[in-house]
Amino acid sequence: DVQMTQSPSTLSASVGDRVTITCRASQTINSWLAWYQQKPGKAPKLLIYKASNLQSGVPSRFSGSGSGTEFTLTISSLQPDDFATYYCQQYDSFSWTFGQGTKVDIK
Amino acid sequence: QVQLQESGPGLVKPSQTLSLTCSVSGASISSTDYYWSWIRQHPGKGLEWIGYIYYSGSTYYNPSFRSRVAISVDTSKNHFSLKLSSVTAADTGVYFCAASLKGSPKWGALDPWGQGTLVTVSS
Repeated sequence: DVQMTQSPSTLSASVGDRVTITCRASQTINSWLAWYQQKPGKAPKLLIYKASNLQSGVPSRFSGSGSGTEFTLTISSLQPDDFATYYCQQYDSFSWTFGQGTKVDIK
Repeated sequence: QVQLQESGPGLVKPSQTLSLTCSVSGASISSTDYYWSWIRQHPGKGLEWIGYIYYSGSTYYNPSFRSRVAISVDTSKNHFSLKLSSVTAADTGVYFCAASLKGSPKWGALDPWGQGTLVTVSS
């Protein structure tokens, strides 16, 4: 199975900061990677698919990049609504796996 | 738009079978457009994909669950179901159902999701 490793596990930031989260795959997954945002007590929300495609309705301050085994999610200017946990997920094969999550909290 | 809603018992005894249903609205469960998935989240922990089913009945499961899990479709009720056998306390968690759009760059990206349902395994 493809293992997904996110870093950091926790990130403390302030409103207006540029934030970057990294996700590494244990083998190449081409660009078959999604990013999600989850808030406490809620279902995850799809932000990015196929590594860099913004889901409809998601603010343009979110962006994704990468291919192969290394990927990043960037929030260009952190907003109060963005404090949440973020997950990557690979779907290169017919067995999908998530990263362990990155919690973005208030500095 | 497609909407999903999980239902089922909130409490299951150890060694028994956990059974959940995901009701689908806004799309036919027989549609060739979607994969239908189950995902689990242990309390306070990360997400774990359990498996998915396609309208034809084809299923793919996380190897960690393969010997205990079955996902099925009921076209008459427009829902799909999860059965997880021989449960233990380690199976306690929130169970989500979700859809993904086959034949597109989103084919494995999960959207939308149900709201999730908490299942506790305890005697």
